[in-house]
Amino acid sequence: DTAVSQTPKYLVTQMGNDKSIKCEQNLGHDTMYWYKQDSKKFLKIMFSYNNKELIINETVPNRFSPKSPDKAHLNLHINSLELGDSAVYFCASSQRGQTFNTEAFFGQGTRLTVV
Amino acid sequence: AQKVTQAQTEISVVEKEDVTLDCVYETRDTTYYLFWYKQPPSGELVFLIRRNSFDEQNEISGRYSWNFQKSTSSFNFTITASQVVDSAVYFCALSEEFSGNQFYFGTGTSLTVIP
Repeated sequence: DTAVSQTPKYLVTQMGNDKSIKCEQNLGHDTMYWYKQDSKKFLKIMFSYNNKELIINETVPNRFSPKSPDKAHLNLHINSLELGDSAVYFCASSQRGQTFNTEAFFGQGTRLTVV
Repeated sequence: AQKVTQAQTEISVVEKEDVTLDCVYETRDTTYYLFWYKQPPSGELVFLIRRNSFDEQNEISGRYSWNFQKSTSSFNFTITASQVVDSAVYFCALSEEFSGNQFYFGTGTSLTVIP
């Protein structure tokens, strides 16, 4: 069983389209994240959710809208795609406890190409 | 300010050489966690190790070893007798107990092991 699964793995779309990336974790974690990895490999936090509540919303254009229907899912919807949105998007989850924090478990990544 | 600094952008070594990847972090929390991840050319993020701030013992796992020094805020990673399969981008990351709700990643070190 895949711990963190995101779909699709590859997404090629035209400028101006709207697309969604889905993410599901079966680890029972309380925190989920979206990270963007640019062409220079830099991993930048986009959003962080804890128990379905938005905790972190970095300076991301409001064309990006995360949705967490439950603790196990965190989807990313992108409106009006632009060329600069081309990147690899990683979903991740972790458990933040009173005595320890786990590592982040990452999905396989979604390579988004906007043409 | 960058919370995690990996000053080495790219390193090339010849197979069987030892190589050390540097990581320097910055935090005001007394409880925090440090991580190393490997990203091979296939693109997935592979978790290697987690360390909490109260455990300064060095760790060895096969050819991998980690040196955690709070006095210098460093968490360095050494690969002994490197192999071609070690070629990847390696990321150091920081998670804080109370401040923020994310993993702070360094910019990564791209390691190439030449056969």
